[in-house]
Amino acid sequence: DTAVSQTPKYLVTQMGNDKSIKCEQNLGHDTMYWYKQDSKKFLKIMFSYNNKELIINETVPNRFSPKSPDKAHLNLHINSLELGDSAVYFCASSQGTSGVGEETQYFGPGTRLLVL
Amino acid sequence: GQQLNQSPQSMFIQEGEDVSMNCTSSSIFNTWLWYKQEPGEGPVLLIALYKAGELTSNGRLTAQFGITRKDSFLNISASIPSDVGIYFCAGPRSSNTGKLIFGQGTTLQVKP
Repeated sequence: DTAVSQTPKYLVTQMGNDKSIKCEQNLGHDTMYWYKQDSKKFLKIMFSYNNKELIINETVPNRFSPKSPDKAHLNLHINSLELGDSAVYFCASSQGTSGVGEETQYFGPGTRLLVL
Repeated sequence: GQQLNQSPQSMFIQEGEDVSMNCTSSSIFNTWLWYKQEPGEGPVLLIALYKAGELTSNGRLTAQFGITRKDSFLNISASIPSDVGIYFCAGPRSSNTGKLIFGQGTTLQVKP
């Protein structure tokens, strides 16, 4: 009965590889997000989808491509992985994007990506 | 742009002590959120504040939405070892995109 789930939890891969991270939410939310947390624990948003439409794309290299097959899923594909991509990636969801309470986000457990 | 400044950056306290941390901004926020992140886990929502002046409790945690809408604080009373973690404040950017701005986090360590 996990609200926001991500797979895999750990991902170790070689530089240059392509990898995907999956996210699913069972909260019935309309909006989903991807965040990157760096080694200093700073959380920075990467992408946001509302009803399967991209609404936020923050200065992220185009090697990162999100895909939302439906409202409950938001996957992140990364091409040509680089050393600097090593970080923890969090998926989150919210009911909506505006209105009291709708912006409150719920986070998944994270995917720890290590690029060697 | 909108930024959140969180302090202190870290705290090392004795079990049983009370803890206070705060978050300030030069911009107005309409919502303040407090999250806790434990090692190896994702941020978990502790308290959400939606109204200026609002004071909300969740067990030993109390948070307040500053009356100017530019600050918020979180208090933890009678700390216990499982309070260890990073506490983040966050608020939505004023663009109705759902984008949250996060503070830098306060790392709390509790000595039994």
